Amino acid sequence: GENVEQHPSTLSVQEGDSAVIKCTYSDSASNYFPWYKQELGKRPQLIIDIRSNVGEKKDQRIAVTLNKTAKHFSLHITETQPEDSAVYFCAASGGYNKLIFGAGTRLAVHP
Amino acid sequence: ETGVTQTPRHLVMGMTNKKSLKCEQHLGHNAMYWYKQSAKKPLELMFVYNFKEQTENNSVPSRFSPECPNSSHLFLHLHTLQPEDSALYLCASSQDWAGTTYEQYFGPGTRLTVT
Repeated sequence: GENVEQHPSTLSVQEGDSAVIKCTYSDSASNYFPWYKQELGKRPQLIIDIRSNVGEKKDQRIAVTLNKTAKHFSLHITETQPEDSAVYFCAASGGYNKLIFGAGTRLAVHP
Repeated sequence: ETGVTQTPRHLVMGMTNKKSLKCEQHLGHNAMYWYKQSAKKPLELMFVYNFKEQTENNSVPSRFSPECPNSSHLFLHLHTLQPEDSALYLCASSQDWAGTTYEQYFGPGTRLTVT
């Protein structure tokens, strides 16, 4: 079955710097790759997603890139702000209506 | 209330108790999910229901029993749990058409403690 690995597990940056989180997946049939943000004590919420027919997608300070050949995708956050501090999860579709999640990255943005 | 709701938000139960978690979605979706979230572990998919039919059971122990009476409601019945079952249980829902995977919307979760 699908397996998703996510790195790093923790990431600490200064406000204004960029942050990059990387994920690899195992199933070449995966075609949907969402990223979720979970703030402390809150529910995971989708921040951006990408499908396998697209190589890159941007939404303001957030971008996701996908390399299908290498089976990896990355989340890029530019001009980080303290409110970006949270746990970020990547996921890959692992079959019919099924998402397999990475272990999460705890991002801390220091003022 | 909009979105995905879950009750109760917190639950403490003994190993011999029987309790149920409830999830309701107000988004008109036709797929619903139960996930377990433990500290320092990925979100673990437990069950998937599509149009009220269970389409996935991710090797979950039988002490967890799901029920989906309609596309808007999902229950997780709990009995004779173990302390290692203590976790945050998240419900989610999504649209599902022609096998395409769509965004999943999560509920706030039930924090379960088994004593």
